[in-house]
Amino acid sequence: GQNIDQPTEMTATEGAIVQINCTYQTSGFNGLFWYQQHAGEAPTFLSYNVLDGLEEKGRFSSFLSRSKGYSYLLLKELQMKDSASYLCAVMDSNYQLIWGAGTKLIIKP
Amino acid sequence: IAGITQAPTSQILAAGRRMTLRCTQDMRHNAMYWYRQDLGLGLRLIHYSNTAGTTGKGEVPDGYSVSRANTDDFPLTLASAVPSQTSVYFCASSTTSGRGDEQFFGPGTRLTVL
Repeated sequence: GQNIDQPTEMTATEGAIVQINCTYQTSGFNGLFWYQQHAGEAPTFLSYNVLDGLEEKGRFSSFLSRSKGYSYLLLKELQMKDSASYLCAVMDSNYQLIWGAGTKLIIKP
Repeated sequence: IAGITQAPTSQILAAGRRMTLRCTQDMRHNAMYWYRQDLGLGLRLIHYSNTAGTTGKGEVPDGYSVSRANTDDFPLTLASAVPSQTSVYFCASSTTSGRGDEQFFGPGTRLTVL
C-alpha cells in the first residue's frame, strides 16, 4: 500500500527553527510537495522536490532523499503567522498526489 | 473571478438527497480534481479530470460522480447522500496533470449529511 507519515503536532517558539519530517512509501515517485493550510482555509503550495537535496525559498527550505523515502520542511525565524498545518504529498506513478494527514504546527510567543 | 471558486460554502443535507457541489476556475488549467478532507486523514482524491471531456476515478469515488463539459467547470454530484459523506470538499486545478505541476485549491465546501 501507499503511505505518507508525518508527526501529528509540533510546538515551537517564535523566532526559532523547526523541522517537520515526512517519510513515504509509494508506488512510483514523481516528486514531493509541501503545502501549508491555515485552519478553515485551503492548502497553498510551498515547495516541490524531485531531485535529492535542499531547495531554499526564503525562510522555508525543503529537503529530499529518495533512497531513504524521506523529506523535511525547515522553517526559520518562526512567526506567529506560521501557525498552520503542513501537508506532505507525493506524486505517484499515476501522477496522482498521495497526501499525509498533516502536521499541526503551534507557535508560542 | 480570480482562481478557483466553489459553491456553496457550506451545506446541511438530509440523507438520501441529491447534491451538486460546484467548482469553477478561470486559469485555463487542463487538470481538475475533487478531494475530501476528514479530521486525522490526509486529503483523499475522489475524481479527477486531466482535460475537458475526460474524467477518472480516484481513491474514494463510490457515491460520487463528476462531469467535465468544458475547461472551467467541474461539478461533483452526490446522487444519494449518506452521513459518511460529511466532510470538507476541496476542488483543485493544475496546468496539466504532469510531474511537478502544483495544484491550486478552491476555498472548500463544508458538507454535513444528517
